[in-house]
Amino acid sequence: GAGVSQSPSNKVTEKGKDVELRCDPISGHTALYWYRQSLGQGLEFLIYFQGNSAPDKSGLPSDRFSAERTGGSVSTLTIQRTQQEDSAVYLCASSPDRVASGLEFFGPGTRLTVL
Amino acid sequence: DAKTTQPNSMESNEEEPVHLPCNHSTISGTDYIHWYRQLPSQGPEYVIHGLTSNVNNRMASLAIAEDRKSSTLILHRATLRDAAVYYCILRVRGGADGLTFGKGTHLIIQP
Repeated sequence: GAGVSQSPSNKVTEKGKDVELRCDPISGHTALYWYRQSLGQGLEFLIYFQGNSAPDKSGLPSDRFSAERTGGSVSTLTIQRTQQEDSAVYLCASSPDRVASGLEFFGPGTRLTVL
Repeated sequence: DAKTTQPNSMESNEEEPVHLPCNHSTISGTDYIHWYRQLPSQGPEYVIHGLTSNVNNRMASLAIAEDRKSSTLILHRATLRDAAVYYCILRVRGGADGLTFGKGTHLIIQP
């Protein structure tokens, strides 16, 4: 497809379980970002990947959160031992490159509900 | 990224122009002014961005004050589909940090 895609669109899990969220960026985009948006709140930056460089993990809220990007394309955000406060919409965005414009193209998000 | 200030909400009528203000008094010379919007149940969507000069595209216009301490997003003829939260964000050109989203302006369009 032409845009950023994310899967699953919805995920319900029990407290303490691990979850994996997937992001397929726009083909050719070298930068990839993860954000989360809690109910009624603004977007919170989590992590950033640029090409083959080490990711900027400065926004990850705890060591239960991790992300990887394989082959410079698809990314997976993993949350271990989920807690109820992890419930949010997790958004992925990609960008052509870090220099050109800083424009980001967002996916539809994954709504995570931790029971 | 420098901070921006926007009204919490605004209301307008369909087919009328809408002017969404944003204050960014601490903007630096290398900060670009970006506008994104988020429709209900969707991810944010890029609207427009600029540095010093006013900008126009198919979605909107961006009017930037001469001192760059404020800007206005202009929707020339609002439709019901323009109802969304509009975010004004400053971003250094080439900045690698994630976008810093504030609370934005909730735009309500009345039919």
